Amino acid sequence: EIVLTQSPGTLSLSPGERAILSCRASQTVRDTFFAWYQQTPGQAPRLLIHGASTRATGIPARFSGSGSGTEFTLTISRLEPEDFVVYYCQQCDETPYTFGQGTKLDIK
Amino acid sequence: QIHLVQSRLELKKPGASVTVSCKASGYSFQNFGLNWVRQAPGQGLEWMGWISPDNGHTKYAQKFQDRVTMTTDTSTTTAYMELRSLTSDDAAIYYCAKDFSQYVVGLPGYWGQGTLVAV
Repeated sequence: EIVLTQSPGTLSLSPGERAILSCRASQTVRDTFFAWYQQTPGQAPRLLIHGASTRATGIPARFSGSGSGTEFTLTISRLEPEDFVVYYCQQCDETPYTFGQGTKLDIK
Repeated sequence: QIHLVQSRLELKKPGASVTVSCKASGYSFQNFGLNWVRQAPGQGLEWMGWISPDNGHTKYAQKFQDRVTMTTDTSTTTAYMELRSLTSDDAAIYYCAKDFSQYVVGLPGYWGQGTLVAV
């Protein structure tokens, strides 16, 4: 099973700052099969990034994904108040498809 | 517009089974796989399995292999997930989620609102 480890668990920042979220895979994941999701409390997750670096439809340009192999990054260039929620990475390269444990963005 | 409508709440006793439904509309149902993902209270996301509405082919996480069955009904564009032998550990929100692409299996692009299963 591919284990995805996200860091940090919680990230405390202020609106307007840049956030860098990391996801490390226990073995290589092909870019096509890697994604990032955002989850607001009480709601279903929303796809942010697929193919490691392609923004999903309607996702603001301040969100960007990068990385390959076993190291992936989600960057939010300038934090808006609505960005302070939870983010998950996911791989669908090998079953069982797995999610990271999540990174929570807190307002400082 | 894509819609995945799930039953809102299922209340079950330990040892029982639950069947969660997911009514799809707004896209070609047979052309996109459907995932089932659950989330225990205050916890992260857990992928349970995937089904192709086109041919019924399934992929299950080993953890659920012995007690989950995923099916679809193309005449009503509805997917079903049955989980048997429920325990308190199965209390969670269960999401159905449509594949983002026909060509990338297991990458959810659109999610239902979730079904709360209480045990």
